[in-house]
Amino acid sequence: AQSVTQPDIHITVSEGASLELRCNYSYGATPYLFWYVQSPGQGLQLLLKYFSGDTLVQGIKGFEAEFKRSQSSFNLRKPSVHWSDAAEYFCAVGAGTGTASKLTFGTGTRLQVTL
Amino acid sequence: GAVVSQHPSWVICKSGTSVKIECRSLDFQATTMFWYRQFPKQSLMLMATSNEGSKATYEQGVEKDKFLINHASLTLSTLTVTSAHPEDSSFYICSAPSGTSDSQYFGPGTRLTVL
Repeated sequence: AQSVTQPDIHITVSEGASLELRCNYSYGATPYLFWYVQSPGQGLQLLLKYFSGDTLVQGIKGFEAEFKRSQSSFNLRKPSVHWSDAAEYFCAVGAGTGTASKLTFGTGTRLQVTL
Repeated sequence: GAVVSQHPSWVICKSGTSVKIECRSLDFQATTMFWYRQFPKQSLMLMATSNEGSKATYEQGVEKDKFLINHASLTLSTLTVTSAHPEDSSFYICSAPSGTSDSQYFGPGTRLTVL
């Protein structure tokens, strides 16, 4: 069975600083990996996804993530954080193929941005 | 992007009553929808897969007689929490994969409080 680990429960960064959120996965086959952001009162929003191909994927809002098979990681990065980025971030792995595959989520990382 | 709505966004009920939560795909059709449960400051746990025209598939440990799922049409899935108890209090989230893209879209969630 697949699993996702987000080691950092809570991270605080200053506005303008760089950000890296860690994600490690366990899956027997080629993983389908996702990063979602959850803001209060809003549904989860997809930041980016990796299915295959280039291991560095670009997403919305200036986020990017790098798939490293050797490390079973899919860390999320942003070079300069904005105060509006404060939210809960979830890494997820999809089982099987296609978008109708079941998602297994990590426990999330809460990002706090200080001004 | 595709939009998924949930109704109600917030509900309080007495112990022993049943509560129905609706999940709608507003601008696309979804033969499959997923229902998740999220405890405070925890990850999303997949409860079941809702299939249009057939029975839902429940994850291990989820009581199918307690959490009734009906996928009435290609744009509507409902989750009914029967004989609700305080331990059923949680945040329930649905998602639907969009056939025109390769992503799942999440509803904003329904917070259920059982007194």
